[in-house]
Amino acid sequence: AQSVTQLGSHVSVSEGALVLLRCNYSSSVPPYLFWYVQYPNQGLQLLLKYTTGATLVKGINGFEAEFKKSETSFHLTKPSAHMSDAAEYFCAVRGTGGGADGLTFGKGTHLIIQP
Amino acid sequence: DGGITQSPKYLFRKEGQNVTLSCEQNLNHDAMYWYRQDPGQGLRLIYYSQIVNDFQKGDIAEGYSVSREKKESFPLTVTSAQKNPTAFYLCASSPGQGANGYTFGSGTRLTVV
Repeated sequence: AQSVTQLGSHVSVSEGALVLLRCNYSSSVPPYLFWYVQYPNQGLQLLLKYTTGATLVKGINGFEAEFKKSETSFHLTKPSAHMSDAAEYFCAVRGTGGGADGLTFGKGTHLIIQP
Repeated sequence: DGGITQSPKYLFRKEGQNVTLSCEQNLNHDAMYWYRQDPGQGLRLIYYSQIVNDFQKGDIAEGYSVSREKKESFPLTVTSAQKNPTAFYLCASSPGQGANGYTFGSGTRLTVV
């Protein structure tokens, strides 16, 4: 069974500072990996995903994430935080094998941007 | 534009009543999902369907029911048996297996009054 751990239910950074949201997964084989963002009272929106190939993935709104197989990690970063980045962020994993595997989500990290 | 529509955005229910949340997609996706979201608990899977006329229980199916009579539609009924139904409900769809993520609706906030 797959699992996803997001370190820190809340992360606070200053506007203009580096954003780092941590995600570690547990899977027997390298899975497909996703980051979603959720603004208050809205659904989840896909930020970026890793499937195969280049391990550094760029997404929308200036975010990127790096797949590190040896560390089973897929941390999300952004060089300079903006007030509009304040939201809930979810990491998710999906198996690459056959069968009925859906997405397994982490519990989310609430990103707070300090002015 | 293709997408997934949830309605209503806000819903109020009296105790003991059943209510139905609508979820419609025009993405031609095979799979559809219902999640419940409570503060600090992330997303919890209620039901999912991978094909018309078939659906499976998720982690917290008790007190809920679904149907999948059409590919486009996956309504969720919150029954009176659900003891604590106040929550934010999210519907999602996916083309199926593989490297596809989910497309989410904008959610329905259900409040018991």
